[in-house]
Amino acid sequence: DINLTQSPSSLSTSVGDRVTITCQASQDISTYLNWYQQKPGKAPRLLIYDASTLETGVPSRFSGSGSGTDFIFTIDSLQPEDIAIYYCQHYENVPYTFGQGTRLDI
Amino acid sequence: QVQLVQSGAEVKKPGASVTVSCKVSGYSLTELSMHWVRQAPGKGLEWMGGFDPEDGEAVYAESLQGRVTMTEDTSTDTAYMQLSSLRSEDTAVYFCTRGMPFDFWGQGTLITVSS
Repeated sequence: DINLTQSPSSLSTSVGDRVTITCQASQDISTYLNWYQQKPGKAPRLLIYDASTLETGVPSRFSGSGSGTDFIFTIDSLQPEDIAIYYCQHYENVPYTFGQGTRLDI
Repeated sequence: QVQLVQSGAEVKKPGASVTVSCKVSGYSLTELSMHWVRQAPGKGLEWMGGFDPEDGEAVYAESLQGRVTMTEDTSTDTAYMQLSSLRSEDTAVYFCTRGMPFDFWGQGTLITVSS
């Protein structure tokens, strides 16, 4: 199975900050990587797919990059509504594992 | 618009089985694979399984093999996930989601396993 390691596991932030989360895969997954946001009591929301493509309707302050084993997720100018847990997920092959999540706090 | 609506919360005893349904609208089940993801209280997301778009066969997480069965009724556009031999560690919120990528999700169904 492909393992995804997110870093950091939690991050204390402030409104306006630039936030960067990394996701490292245990083997080459090309760009088969998605990023999701999850708020308490809610289903996850797709933000980025194919490593860098912004899902329709997602604000442009969110972005993703990377390929192979190393990926970066960025929020430019954090907004209060961005406080959530963020997960990466690969789909190179089954099982489609998720990273352990990164919790953002203010 | 696309919607995935799941069945309601259930409480089950250890050893029992549970079936969660996911009724879709705004698209057809035949268009995209359905997957199931669960989340134990305070924990991360766990992919349980889904349908392989290549052959339409269900594939399951190895940790659930033999206990989970995913089916689809294309006549009613409803997907089902059955989990048997329930244990306390199966207590979780279960989500259906279409993919890949997982762009639309059900609201989640809390399954509590308790004696």
